[in-house]
Amino acid sequence: GAVVSQHPSWVICKSGTSVKIECRSLDFQATTMFWYRQFPKQSLMLMATSNEGSKATYEQGVEKDKFLINHASLTLSTLTVTSAHPEDSSFYICSAQRGTGSLDTQYFGPGTRLTVL
Amino acid sequence: GQNIDQPTEMTATEGAIVQINCTYQTSGFNGLFWYQQHAGEAPTFLSYNVLDGLEEKGRFSSFLSRSKGYSYLLLKELQMKDSASYLCAPLGGGYNKLIFGAGTRLAVHP
Repeated sequence: GAVVSQHPSWVICKSGTSVKIECRSLDFQATTMFWYRQFPKQSLMLMATSNEGSKATYEQGVEKDKFLINHASLTLSTLTVTSAHPEDSSFYICSAQRGTGSLDTQYFGPGTRLTVL
Repeated sequence: GQNIDQPTEMTATEGAIVQINCTYQTSGFNGLFWYQQHAGEAPTFLSYNVLDGLEEKGRFSSFLSRSKGYSYLLLKELQMKDSASYLCAPLGGGYNKLIFGAGTRLAVHP
């Protein structure tokens, strides 16, 4: 159990276009999902915390109008990178938390590699 | 502020034991997680500690000392497939936030 999927696995797009990434918890309900970004050989950086039915909480320095997050159901959260630019090229990873306690484990999706030309 | 310190790289021999240390400073500490991440893949959960002491899970064990802000991951009977990055992630800085360090890249050789 505790499988999280992401779609697409990789995407290449032109500068100025928008890209949507889906994160799904396949066999459990996730009240909270998280979105991370990871540049090569660097640590995972939390972008935002997404709670079902409410607005996402963004980390300092993350533009909420550029990275749109929607958590429409207990099994699906989406991240839309609007007007993508080459500096947005990165590995985007979501995680889903099973349970509502602070110690409930986060299970990660396989990640989406975004390349903006 | 938040700070996590792990060695950048380690090497070890197949069949051996390796200990990966992690020191951390974070506000509102609630526990510490260890994840494994192979190159180009997402992290996978290994273990977590809430209380001081050792937690053992098969070939992997994790230790925590809250007063010292210190944890380690112990890997026994190393296998080639254990070559990966190991991420120390305290839970703190706010509700449910995992704070990741840069990780330790472990290379296991024959």
